[in-house]
Amino acid sequence: AQTVTQSQPEMSVQEAETVTLSCTYDTSESDYYLFWYKQPPSRQMILVIRQEAYKQQNATENRFSVNFQKAAKSFSLKISDSQLGDAAMYFCAYRSAYGGATNKLIFGTGTLLAVQP
Amino acid sequence: DTAVSQTPKYLVTQMGNDKSIKCEQNLGHDTMYWYKQDSKKFLKIMFSYNNKELIINETVPNRFSPKSPDKAHLNLHINSLELGDSAVYFCASSREYRDREGGYTFGSGTRLTVV
Repeated sequence: AQTVTQSQPEMSVQEAETVTLSCTYDTSESDYYLFWYKQPPSRQMILVIRQEAYKQQNATENRFSVNFQKAAKSFSLKISDSQLGDAAMYFCAYRSAYGGATNKLIFGTGTLLAVQP
Repeated sequence: DTAVSQTPKYLVTQMGNDKSIKCEQNLGHDTMYWYKQDSKKFLKIMFSYNNKELIINETVPNRFSPKSPDKAHLNLHINSLELGDSAVYFCASSREYRDREGGYTFGSGTRLTVV
């Protein structure tokens, strides 16, 4: 069974600085997706960035980028130029690329990010 | 607006009652899900339906019964509510098989409080 581990329950960053959130996962599958979701206090789940396992290039979305190391099964999120609105719980998630009963998002336990002004 | 909408957003009820949460998506997705987020913020899948067919049932008590009248709707009915059922319940949808996006779209969640 696949598992996702986020070893940092809480992180803090100064406004305008850069922070990296860690995520590791375990799978025997070769094709899958990885995601970072943001959950602000409003509790809405917001997709931040996605990575397809067969793509070697790291995904980037504006100030958000990932460091995807497939062999090491590592998928960290870097937030550059942190803003107050980035304060939220961040979840790393895994999804198999195959269908049926494997078609589900498996979440890590989350990292609560605080942004200091 | 294209979205996943679930109602109600908040639900406070007494132990032993029966309640339902409704979910609708207009994204044309094939698959819908219910996730539970507990007090420690951990998110875990409960059910998934693909075109009205139950695909995943993750050892959820029988008191929870999902119903999918069509592929755009997935409701969750809970019988004999218990204190431990208090949580936030999220509905979500996605395409089924390999697609360029791969991600889910989530509803805004229903905070269920059992007193």
